[in-house]
Amino acid sequence: EVQLLASGGGLVQPGGSMRLSCTASGLSFSDYAMTWVRQAPGRGLEWVSGISHSGDNTYYADSAKGRFTVSRDNSKNALYLQMINLRAEDAAVYYCAKTAMTTNRRGKVFYYGMDVWGQGSTITVSS
Amino acid sequence: QSVLTQTPSVSAAPGQKVTISCSGSSSNIGDNSVAWYQQLPGTAPKLLIYDDNKRPSGIPDRFSGSKSDTSATLGITGLQTGDEADYYCGTWDSSLSAGVFGGGTKLTVL
Repeated sequence: EVQLLASGGGLVQPGGSMRLSCTASGLSFSDYAMTWVRQAPGRGLEWVSGISHSGDNTYYADSAKGRFTVSRDNSKNALYLQMINLRAEDAAVYYCAKTAMTTNRRGKVFYYGMDVWGQGSTITVSS
Repeated sequence: QSVLTQTPSVSAAPGQKVTISCSGSSSNIGDNSVAWYQQLPGTAPKLLIYDDNKRPSGIPDRFSGSKSDTSATLGITGLQTGDEADYYCGTWDSSLSAGVFGGGTKLTVL
């Protein structure tokens, strides 16, 4: 069974930093792209960041550019999201998701969906 | 304001059929596959439809997906009370080089 376990959330002050981790099991992790999606309380899903299976290609929502960095360590079956300069509006449940996505030689992305989701890790931003 | 537009809520009686629409543009739905997700209260989203109209293993054929130009539709037949959830469409936006979601549609089974 494929499982994704997110960790690293908690309370952080505005302007602070936090690193989320997502550990995968039951799959060949290095074969798959991964995505971070967040959901603020009472709000809808927001795509945050994605990374190719090799880690060579990374993608960010405008809200994350310059503040968030996605990375992965395929030897550890782990996905990370490093966040700096956190704001109140970054408070949310952060989900990691296994993603069916490929990129051709021209850089065009072919996206099919996120088929396995972790349980979510909550970040609270407050002083 | 979401890049993809969904009707905020729909409702129907048990056993009936409902459709949920998702409207986008040439840079997202018009250029990429659409996926649909179901989110039951307090749980992580679950993939219902991928690549416009394909169902993952274990998803009943009561759920179907279709796409035309820059719009996509999720259909649910034989509604059950357990289908009450939020439903989201999602795809890739080639202009943004980022994933995008609709704002979500809350389904109530009366």
